Amino acid sequence: DAGITQSPRHKVTETGTPVTLRCHQTENHRYMYWYRQDPGHGLRLIHYSYGVKDTDKGEVSDGYSVSRSKTEDFLLTLESATSSQTSVYFCAISWGTTYEQYFGPGTRLTVT
Amino acid sequence: KNEVEQSPQNLTAQEGEFITINCSYSVGISALHWLQQHPGGGIVSLFMLSSGKKKHGRLIATINIQEKHSSLHITASHPRDSAVYICAVRSQNTNAGKSTFGDGTTLTVKP
Repeated sequence: DAGITQSPRHKVTETGTPVTLRCHQTENHRYMYWYRQDPGHGLRLIHYSYGVKDTDKGEVSDGYSVSRSKTEDFLLTLESATSSQTSVYFCAISWGTTYEQYFGPGTRLTVT
Repeated sequence: KNEVEQSPQNLTAQEGEFITINCSYSVGISALHWLQQHPGGGIVSLFMLSSGKKKHGRLIATINIQEKHSSLHITASHPRDSAVYICAVRSQNTNAGKSTFGDGTTLTVKP
């Protein structure tokens, strides 16, 4: 158990509303990632972080922003949710030289 | 063409059968990761390997760096092995441990 939690686990929201998803880890590991998972696609990287206040874009970052003000928390924000952002969102952490990734339980987001 | 290709996309087997799932990739890598995801469930790390072979219980993972290919084998398959198996690669030129994921292989093991 890598001590990763995500909140909320399920959310339904309306188009145009802001949404923030939270990823929390208990082990203070350096690297954190946000992915989305959709049918017909593999896990796709949205944003990642390599330290407090150090973040960078992944392959599908449009419409998303992130913040990491503390080592243990990595927040994903949808500034104005769209139906195309309906997905399952996974957070992951890694550390050391192997960068083996450990995943949180996921958040199912539905934008109506 | 995706950087990471898995085959087959779907696989149905009878309980007890030997299962092989394949992963091919097109870039030089520093490591390859096999993951498991049960229906409606979270994603669990199975193996991370950069050469050779690893074994854990009934699961065996192999990698051939020259051929850019890895296989995941399941011996004496069981219905509880039914899941999506995901291959991910970390390229040699990436930073912060970023990985590229295959689309997954959906395995169904029938009793």
